[in-house]
Amino acid sequence: EVQLVESGGGLVKPGGSLRLSCSASGFTFSAYGMTWVRQAPGKGLEWVSFISSSSRSISYADSLKGRFTISRDDARKSLYLQMDSLRAEDTAIYYCARDSPTDGYKVWGQGTLVTVSS
Amino acid sequence: SYELTQPPSVSVSPGQTARITCSGNALPNQYAYWYQQKPGQAPVMVMYKDNQRPSGIPERFSGSSSGTIVTLIVSGVQAEDEADYYCQSADSSGSIGVFGGGTKLTVL
Repeated sequence: EVQLVESGGGLVKPGGSLRLSCSASGFTFSAYGMTWVRQAPGKGLEWVSFISSSSRSISYADSLKGRFTISRDDARKSLYLQMDSLRAEDTAIYYCARDSPTDGYKVWGQGTLVTVSS
Repeated sequence: SYELTQPPSVSVSPGQTARITCSGNALPNQYAYWYQQKPGQAPVMVMYKDNQRPSGIPERFSGSSSGTIVTLIVSGVQAEDEADYYCQSADSSGSIGVFGGGTKLTVL
């Protein structure tokens, strides 16, 4: 079964850091690009970051202003999102999604909740 | 930054046809994708590359594209289709993704 499972969310104080993980199974992880998408409470989906297969290409939403870093470990079939200098407005459910130029975000994880609050 | 524009809401009676539009300047050159999201659930793709339906998605879902506007069409709407729908594409460079603001489809 093709599956993505996020972890690492939780409560963090403003200015703090958090590292999210996304574990993949059921497909050849190294062959796919991966994307992070977030959704603030009661709001719409927001594209966060993309990393290509082999990590050759990386991109971020302009709004993140260099605070987030995406990475991957193909041997561990895992995707990561390092989030620094967190703000209240980063509070959201963070989803990872498999990214393919042929069929977009066909596979999603269940999401992990990040709450930034003092 | 690049934006995709969707109507906030669309309402139809059961059995009617719902049309949800998404507009963006780069859509003539970038594919659009559509996702359905029900409360408390992760999004599910219902259309890719403008008008391709993933396996398992009912045939009543279709897509069209014309210039800077793409449209998700739900024919013979059923109560189970009530959800939020998001279009998604990329900017003109193809390197930055973007979602529309979402459309709440209400089945009256």
